[in-house]
Amino acid sequence: GAVVSQHPSRVICKSGTSVKIECRSLDFQATTMFWYRQFPKQSLMLMATSNEGSKATYEQGVEKDKFLINHASLTLSTLTVTSAHPEDSSFYICSARHRMNTEAFFGQGTRLTVV
Amino acid sequence: QKEVEQNSGPLSVPEGAIASLNCTYSDRGSQSFFWYRQYSGKSPELIMFIYSNGDKEDGRFTAQLNKASQYVSLLIRDSQPSDSATYLCAVEQGYNFNKFYFGSGTKLNVKP
Repeated sequence: GAVVSQHPSRVICKSGTSVKIECRSLDFQATTMFWYRQFPKQSLMLMATSNEGSKATYEQGVEKDKFLINHASLTLSTLTVTSAHPEDSSFYICSARHRMNTEAFFGQGTRLTVV
Repeated sequence: QKEVEQNSGPLSVPEGAIASLNCTYSDRGSQSFFWYRQYSGKSPELIMFIYSNGDKEDGRFTAQLNKASQYVSLLIRDSQPSDSATYLCAVEQGYNFNKFYFGSGTKLNVKP
């Protein structure tokens, strides 16, 4: 399958600081990227969907000013968690797809711990 | 988020048996259906996808889709201990900006 690289894999930050997570499609052009959050023993919750060059569409209940998503190119999307709090600690996973009605491939995930 | 439901399990089967995993969805407009496998602490990895009613086979895996009943399943033949993982059903929904929504996953244990 296609390769999606997510960086960093783990990050620990202080409460109140911001953290940026990168998601890159290495061998295909990702017209759409998805960002998910997963708490322990729970399923993936879709946070937002972004198309290259467009503003992200956020799911209900997800604060767009707190979770900034940029999809500036066909191979890169970033998620910035601003003013992080301990309750933001979670496993954040990106996925990318080339076009509609095709499968999405996942990055390795980023485990964020806010202390 | 539109509902995608799975039995959380755990589902325990002996090695060599057939494991049957089920998923139902609420949005009749759902277009595509995917099965992913997730090991603890790792990201999901794609097993297979299905778009049309009926069965689709890929090696030991068979996906079955029934849009009238809003039901999709995954059969794993000759189950191996390495198949032990959480299996996630994902449904593509939307008419313009298609999105993937996931069920809560079914934990499968294959006993040697």
